[in-house]
Amino acid sequence: EVQLVESGGGVVRPGGSLRLSCAASGFTFDDYGMSWVRQAPGKGLEWVSAINWSDGNTGYADSVKGRFTISRDNARNSLYLQMNSLRAEDTALYHCSRRRAGHLDYWGQGTLVTVSS
Amino acid sequence: AIQLTQSPSSLSVSVGDRITITCRASQGISSNLAWYQQKPGRTPKLLIHDVSSLENGVPSRFSGSGSGTDFTLTISSLQPEDFATYYCQQFNSYPHSFGQGTKLEIK
Repeated sequence: EVQLVESGGGVVRPGGSLRLSCAASGFTFDDYGMSWVRQAPGKGLEWVSAINWSDGNTGYADSVKGRFTISRDNARNSLYLQMNSLRAEDTALYHCSRRRAGHLDYWGQGTLVTVSS
Repeated sequence: AIQLTQSPSSLSVSVGDRITITCRASQGISSNLAWYQQKPGRTPKLLIHDVSSLENGVPSRFSGSGSGTDFTLTISSLQPEDFATYYCQQFNSYPHSFGQGTKLEIK
């Protein structure tokens, strides 16, 4: 059974940093690309970032480019999102998801990030 | 960046209705489009990928079509469990944007 479990969320002040983790199990992690998607309270889905399985190529939403960094550790079956210079508008539930040829077929339950002074 | 515009933003419908949701891309995205369903408090569920391919286990009343910049999700006969919010997503090029969502509400 595919499982994706996020951690690392919390309350942080504007300008602060957080590192989110996603522990993957139930599939061969290094055969798949991975993504982060967030959802602000009461709002729609916002794609944040993705990383390929093969060449480590990455992509970012314009809203986070230069502030967030996605990475993966295939030996640990883990995905990460380093978030710097956090803003109030980054407050959201952050999901990691598995990419299967682009679309997202499995999603974690998410970890909540709150940016507030 | 490619923008996806869904219409309508919400729809008041009844069980048994046939509904169509439209997703328009600001530029061509080939067949790199997926549809997701999200119920309150739940994670999104993949319904359709590559415009028209039904994900395993998704009922056949769901279907997708389109090409280039214009795409549709159709539910042929709404069931009570279909009341949810639906999102399209393009993965043709980074950033892989979502539409703003279409919420189906009970009439």
